[in-house]
Amino acid sequence: DGGITQSPKYLFRKEGQNVTLSCEQNLNHDAMYWYRQDPGQGLRLIYYSQIVNDFQKGDIAEGYSVSREKKESFPLTVTSAQKNPTAFYLCASSIAGITEAFFGQGTRLTVV
Amino acid sequence: DAKTTQPPSMDCAEGRAANLPCNHSTISGNEYVYWYRQIHSQGPQYIIHGLKNNETNEMASLIITEDRKSSTLILPHATLRDTAVYYCIVRSPAGGTSYGKLTFGQGTILTVHP
Repeated sequence: DGGITQSPKYLFRKEGQNVTLSCEQNLNHDAMYWYRQDPGQGLRLIYYSQIVNDFQKGDIAEGYSVSREKKESFPLTVTSAQKNPTAFYLCASSIAGITEAFFGQGTRLTVV
Repeated sequence: DAKTTQPPSMDCAEGRAANLPCNHSTISGNEYVYWYRQIHSQGPQYIIHGLKNNETNEMASLIITEDRKSSTLILPHATLRDTAVYYCIVRSPAGGTSYGKLTFGQGTILTVHP
């Protein structure tokens, strides 16, 4: 079955450690996105990528980094520079600008 | 991207139609209106989108006013499983620096009750 997979579903890390969230899609989509969601809030765009080896900052990119070495994969690293990393992280992909985006089930990151 | 305004919450009785409004008065001519919903602790789910004409699919109908400054998502026969946060989004077309970017607002919390 085609889809977009995020792993793990829950992640715990100690403060000061970098952590990488996985996002894989087998939908052959060109564009991929990372969003952050805080309790009771809407989604905020962190980074997005239109094609392999290219990505752009979203609205809240500080403290995050991404890579897009393969079409299927768009991992997000939450660095120690991110002041409030505890949040729900969502990955999405789409074919092109006008088509709908498909979302993964999210990773809930808790930094203690 | 044009901003959208939605009521923070709405109630609907099970089996009745749920009509969710959205204002997007600054929408430009080539921007699409998208609707997504998010059930608690899950990823958002695409519902429907449109440019000018009214649209209908197996999930919902989308009514866009003639001036395109507002739209209404209609769930014709709401069920308890339709309880979710509904997001109205205006999306730029492909090309340019905002390529396909989806900008989410606060959404409307729809509660369907028995």
